[in-house]
Amino acid sequence: QVQLQESGPGLVKPSETLSLTCTVSGGSISSYYWSWIRQPPGKTLEWIGYIYYTESTNYNPSLKSRVTISLDTSKTQFSLKLSSVTAADTAVYYCAYTKAPYGSGYYYMDVWGKGTTVTVSS
Amino acid sequence: DIQMTQSPSSLSASVGDRVTITCRASQSISRYLSWYQQKSGKAPKVLIYAASNLQSGVPSRFSGSGSGTDFTLTISSLQPEDFATYHCQQSYSTPWTFGQGTKVEIK
Repeated sequence: QVQLQESGPGLVKPSETLSLTCTVSGGSISSYYWSWIRQPPGKTLEWIGYIYYTESTNYNPSLKSRVTISLDTSKTQFSLKLSSVTAADTAVYYCAYTKAPYGSGYYYMDVWGKGTTVTVSS
Repeated sequence: DIQMTQSPSSLSASVGDRVTITCRASQSISRYLSWYQQKSGKAPKVLIYAASNLQSGVPSRFSGSGSGTDFTLTISSLQPEDFATYHCQQSYSTPWTFGQGTKVEIK
């Protein structure tokens, strides 16, 4: 069973770059989609984007100019970078294994990491 | 972006009750709809995908229905471990979007 674990700084200063890593265990990273989702305090979930194992990406347009998701198959990790952060980027950040059964196109986040809290503050 | 609207935002129910949560999409999304359960301080867990397919390991008291713009998550007999927040999510088109959540509380 695939397991995911987020890691990275819990505090980032305004205008700096937020960098998080998701380590994958129990499965190959060379398949399916790998997503980042966040949840600001007291708010609903927001999909940030995903990377396919071929390294093609798809980002939320609301964040696209600031987001980069990358894959490191040798380390079975994928990463999130979010530049020029503000207080509005304070959230719990989740990574998730995303799949669509039998190539159906019905994508869903099958396995989630436990989440990591990132606070943007000086 | 496709907007997902859940109702109600919260509800109080007793153990054994039948609970229904509704999710409405701002445009047709066929059956590209998933439901997640999130307990306080925890990551979401998928319950239903493709509108009505029960994820492996999820109790059969959970069921999903609907297509197009209107969807329903039903818990046939509420159990103590079901008190949580439930989210719908569309994957018809990017950006994938979630509903605002429905909090199920103990009456």
